Amino acid sequence: AQTVTQSQPEMSVQEAETVTLSCTYDTSESDYYLFWYKQPPSRQMILVIRQEAYKQQNATENRFSVNFQKAAKSFSLKISDSQLGDAAMYFCAYRRGYDKIIFGKGTRLHILP
Amino acid sequence: DSGVTQTPKHLITATGQRVTLRCSPRSGDLSVYWYQQSLDQGLQFLIQYYNGEERAKGNILERFSAQQFPDLHSELNLSSLELGDSALYFCASSMGAGTGKQTGELFFGEGSRLTVL
Repeated sequence: AQTVTQSQPEMSVQEAETVTLSCTYDTSESDYYLFWYKQPPSRQMILVIRQEAYKQQNATENRFSVNFQKAAKSFSLKISDSQLGDAAMYFCAYRRGYDKIIFGKGTRLHILP
Repeated sequence: DSGVTQTPKHLITATGQRVTLRCSPRSGDLSVYWYQQSLDQGLQFLIQYYNGEERAKGNILERFSAQQFPDLHSELNLSSLELGDSALYFCASSMGAGTGKQTGELFFGEGSRLTVL
């Protein structure tokens, strides 16, 4: 069965600095999607970034970028120029095709002013 | 705004009662997913429907049931409620197979917060 592991329950970063959140996953599939979702205090689930496994190029969305290592089954999220609004729970997630999304347990990110 | 609508946003009820949570997916989405998030926990998959048919089941209790109607809205029924059922229940939708380019992500509603006293 596929699993998603986030080994950092909590992290803190100074405002304007860069932080990297780690995620590993386990699958025997070759084609799948990986995601980072953000859940701010409002509890809304917001898609931060998406990576398709067949694409070698790492996805980027403004200040957010990923380091996708397919062979190592690693999918980390880098947030540059951290802002107070980035404070949230971040979930790494995996999806095969049209199946359900499997979420990791999350990393709570604190931004220090 | 994700385009997914969930009602009610908040619900307080007593143990032993039954509640129904409603979800309207994004226009054109055929698949609906239900997730449960207990306090400070991750999202646990409950059940998936595709075009009215159950497609996958997760760790959904026998006291819980769901269905997707012909107009594609979905309902999650929770009965014989216990204190431990207090949680945030999310509905999400996505394009189904054969509906065009798949972008992969699920679009989430704002959730229904259930408190069982």
